[in-house]
Amino acid sequence: GAVVSQHPSWVICKSGTSVKIECRSLDFQATTMFWYRQFPKQSLMLMATSNEGSKATYEQGVEKDKFLINHASLTLSTLTVTSAHPEDSSFYICSAPGGRAAFFGPGTRLTVL
Amino acid sequence: DAKTTQPTSMDCAEGRAANLPCNHSTISGNEYVYWYRQIHSQGPQYIIHGLKNNETNEMASLIITEDRKSSTLILPHATLRDTAVYYCIVRVTNSGGYQKVTFGTGTKLQVIP
Repeated sequence: GAVVSQHPSWVICKSGTSVKIECRSLDFQATTMFWYRQFPKQSLMLMATSNEGSKATYEQGVEKDKFLINHASLTLSTLTVTSAHPEDSSFYICSAPGGRAAFFGPGTRLTVL
Repeated sequence: DAKTTQPTSMDCAEGRAANLPCNHSTISGNEYVYWYRQIHSQGPQYIIHGLKNNETNEMASLIITEDRKSSTLILPHATLRDTAVYYCIVRVTNSGGYQKVTFGTGTKLQVIP
């Protein structure tokens, strides 16, 4: 199946700082990518849809000014958590469609101190 | 997307077949059944999908009832590495790939030695 990578795999930052997470489709192009967030013992929740060459679309309740998404190329989408706070600590996962299925990255564990 | 209902958890003895059920009684004619799994602290992994015919690949088999209101994912010889949360999802899919996946709570499969 198609491969999606994320970087970094984990990050620890201080409250108030910004953190950038990269999502890459390694062997295919993706005009659309998706960002999810997962809290402990909960299911994945879709945050936003990243669109190459245009603005991202955000799910209800997700602050677009806090979670900045840039889909710079057909293989790269970035999620920047701005002014991170401890409640933003979570597991962030991206996905990209490859054929008839969606393929997911390995996730990024963000811990905000 | 049609709603799905899955048992919260299941146990399976190592080496035996694991049969994971999913109810999707409101599925539409153009919606596919997809299965993903998430091993602890990893991104979800695509397993298999189907429309109305039974499907098999190297990972699993998917049995869809004739009325398409339910399906069963079969792992023929479960191993400890199959311990994960399994998600059944139904959605329309178009080749070329818009694949926003909405996750329910899934079934936590515990494979027991």
